[in-house]
Amino acid sequence: EPEVTQTPSHQVTQMGQEVILRCVPISNHLYFYWYRQILGQKVEFLVSFYNNEISEKSEIFDDQFSVERPDGSNFTLKIRSTKLEDSAMYFCASGGQREAFFGQGTRLTVV
Amino acid sequence: GEDVEQSLFLSVREGDSSVINCTYTDSSSTYLYWYKQEPGAGLQLLTYIFSNMDMKQDQRLTVLLNKKDKHLSLRIADTQTGDSAIYFCAESRRDSSASKIIFGSGTRLSIRP
Repeated sequence: EPEVTQTPSHQVTQMGQEVILRCVPISNHLYFYWYRQILGQKVEFLVSFYNNEISEKSEIFDDQFSVERPDGSNFTLKIRSTKLEDSAMYFCASGGQREAFFGQGTRLTVV
Repeated sequence: GEDVEQSLFLSVREGDSSVINCTYTDSSSTYLYWYKQEPGAGLQLLTYIFSNMDMKQDQRLTVLLNKKDKHLSLRIADTQTGDSAIYFCAESRRDSSASKIIFGSGTRLSIRP
């Protein structure tokens, strides 16, 4: 069964560094998303992406964040100048017009 | 604004039915979802219901939707230890572009022997 794949599963980075979280969505899906979940808290929407552009973003998704679909298959989330409070589980999702399927997540730890 | 509310905890005896409830505020919601999250794992889509339906059944899972009251429930029949997880209710308003899915805080389901 096709699934959304995220790499790495765990990333530790120093405060102020840039990280790139990678996702391979399910092929033939057209909608892509990034969410984050701070430990013990809600699953928060960051950004949605459709037709090669951002279609919606939350207040969290400020200039520190960017997304790209560099080669038609991968979907990346770049976080610049990481802060301690960026430590969270980051989930990628892809879907059609109805449902969205999530990857296993990347646990980002900023030290 | 959009908001999804759930109770935080539910404890049931093994073999009983579990009923997890959720309320949402966005009357324009078109799809409502239930996701399951096991410890340290991602979000698994269990089922979803279109807003013009009032019930959907899938094996041990039954989803009931009361659109007037904006109330969604998930019933798990014959609850097993493998059903222990956090269950997230979520909603979205799907239109011509990708529309975000808004999640509740999740209900932690624990099973008593």
